[in-house]
Amino acid sequence: GQQLNQSPQSMFIQEGEDVSMNCTSSSIFNTWLWYKQDPGEGPVLLIALYKAGELTSNGRLTAQFGITRKDSFLNISASIPSDVGIYFCAGQQGSFFGNEKLTFGTGTRLTIIP
Amino acid sequence: NAGVTQTPKFRVLKTGQSMTLLCAQDMNHEYMYWYRQDPGMGLRLIHYSVGEGTTAKGEVPDGYNVSRLKKQNFLLGLESAAPSQTSVYFCAINRPGNTEAFFGQGTRLTVV
Repeated sequence: GQQLNQSPQSMFIQEGEDVSMNCTSSSIFNTWLWYKQDPGEGPVLLIALYKAGELTSNGRLTAQFGITRKDSFLNISASIPSDVGIYFCAGQQGSFFGNEKLTFGTGTRLTIIP
Repeated sequence: NAGVTQTPKFRVLKTGQSMTLLCAQDMNHEYMYWYRQDPGMGLRLIHYSVGEGTTAKGEVPDGYNVSRLKKQNFLLGLESAAPSQTSVYFCAINRPGNTEAFFGQGTRLTVV
């Protein structure tokens, strides 16, 4: 089955550092989403991107919808301890009714070193 | 995670046993999904439903069955559990044209 390639798989950073991660696909998606998962919880939506080239921010988070519609990027500035978790990208083709299901990336595990 | 409730939260099964996972939503969303999450694999779609009485196969449907007899409930069944079905299972919901999917808190299943 199709999955999105997400990198890096894991990151170890110090508090205050900036973080970058990306997601690529061989298929075109019409919507890109970024989720965060805390331990023992389900994923929670961080940012949604609906148009190729779109750049959207949510506080310290910024995400971009790649111009080819086959990739997306997430940046976190000035990381803080509560940023720890697993970040997932997800793509949605959504070209016709009933096709809103998500295809997920393999996740990036973010750890902050004290 | 508000509005999507999964039961049970934890379960240990012996190989060959059967069980049913329940996803209940109070948000009146049409679409419901069952995913499994395994280390290094992200979330993979098992089955989904676009409305009451309808179901469809996802990416990894083998060994599972589903039913959506009521709009608010989506059941995932394992008829004969296998160790390969050890995983964390997540239910998600969304609406037509609305891209935000809301997730439940997950069910951790171990098959021994």
